[in-house]
Amino acid sequence: AQSVAQPEDQVNVAEGNPLTVKCTYSVSGNPYLFWYVQYPNRGLQFLLKYITGDNLVKGSYGFEAEFNKSQTSFHLKKPSALVSDSALYFCAVRESDYKLSFGAGTTVTVRA
Amino acid sequence: KAGVTQTPRYLIKTRGQQVTLSCSPISGHRSVSWYQQTPGQGLQFLFEYFSETQRNKGNFPGRFSGRQFSNSRSEMNVSTLELGDSALYLCASSLSPGEVNEQFFGPGTRLTVL
Repeated sequence: AQSVAQPEDQVNVAEGNPLTVKCTYSVSGNPYLFWYVQYPNRGLQFLLKYITGDNLVKGSYGFEAEFNKSQTSFHLKKPSALVSDSALYFCAVRESDYKLSFGAGTTVTVRA
Repeated sequence: KAGVTQTPRYLIKTRGQQVTLSCSPISGHRSVSWYQQTPGQGLQFLFEYFSETQRNKGNFPGRFSGRQFSNSRSEMNVSTLELGDSALYLCASSLSPGEVNEQFFGPGTRLTVL
């Protein structure tokens, strides 16, 4: 079974509107969760991570993510999306053997 | 501080050939991981090296191998190339293999097998 799932292949929002990219996980123990973004023809860029502590994690470029243990979710959010946020977003989780497992990715398109 | 560098950026090979890809981690980073990215399979973990030792290996055939040098630079090798090996190969470095450390990715090497 996949350790991390991104249920939406694509998310489309208008510039200025809130952006949410969904992620759910299924690992035993305390999860270590990450969000990365990939722009065309580029490698992945780290956005934020949840290790422990506050359930709301703030990251780069105005992004934040909310860890919800009861729902096993780690959704990425941005209050006001920009056209430049259009990219491919990956959620990832550290497995018990320290491997990093990625979700299938969600393509975000922000229209002007 | 310079980021992760990968060479070459683009590569075209034919079936049956072998290829070597290189990755230089961020200065001070001692852990290097390799991933294969394809449209169909997404991001798949290949292997991870730390202190010149392979710590983890993904579910890839033995044609895929790697190594790490004493300066933390890493190479991966694919022998007897198949059409299905066409992919973006990403290298990532981190301070150490600890579970809390985020990985920093290079731009990737785009391999095309004809």
